[in-house]
Amino acid sequence: DAKTTQPPSMDCAEGRAANLPCNHSTISGNEYVYWYRQIHSQGPQYIIHGLKNNETNEMASLIITEDRKSSTLILPHATLRDTAVYYCIVSRPFGNEKLTFGTGTRLTIIP
Amino acid sequence: NAGVTQTPKFQVLKTGQSMTLQCAQDMNHNSMYWYRQDPGMGLRLIYYSASEGTTDKGEVPNGYNVSRLNKREFSLRLESAAPSQTSVYFCASIRWGRRNEQFFGPGTRLTVL
Repeated sequence: DAKTTQPPSMDCAEGRAANLPCNHSTISGNEYVYWYRQIHSQGPQYIIHGLKNNETNEMASLIITEDRKSSTLILPHATLRDTAVYYCIVSRPFGNEKLTFGTGTRLTIIP
Repeated sequence: NAGVTQTPKFQVLKTGQSMTLQCAQDMNHNSMYWYRQDPGMGLRLIYYSASEGTTDKGEVPNGYNVSRLNKREFSLRLESAAPSQTSVYFCASIRWGRRNEQFFGPGTRLTVL
């Protein structure tokens, strides 16, 4: 599995867009980029995933660079409830895959 | 659907004691996982089961055993608990397909004295 690099922490003002970067320079062609978040001590929660095209859902947008070596998760209008640890993971979508979570980015939304 | 359930929610053990953490999912998922999370750290994979009848080691398997009892249930056993196994344990499941979303249980908070 490819490794990912994320900043350990970020702050964002409430109501502004939160942009969380992730580097995955060794990603292979059939690996997807997944984003999860963990609020306080709960189990992680899926946010979004993508292969090479930009993706958007009700929670967030995912921008993947053309060379696929990095991506950005965008929370368009951050709220206090978005304060969490955000994990970027790369993996093939197969049942025998090991998923490596890493330490993620601790996002703090400031009122 | 209850999703992924874990029992117990909390447990305190003495060094050397054994116990089994239970996990069940009702979403007909094929793959199930056990993770541990130490304070201030990310999740580390202990064991996983890609499908019923198969199990494989993850990043930190030492001191643990697992059983994929059937498609729904995946248990984690500590044969002789050690203080280094004090952690929060999360079970997860996934049905590989279009979304490939991994669903997590609420966690079991284990303290080994």
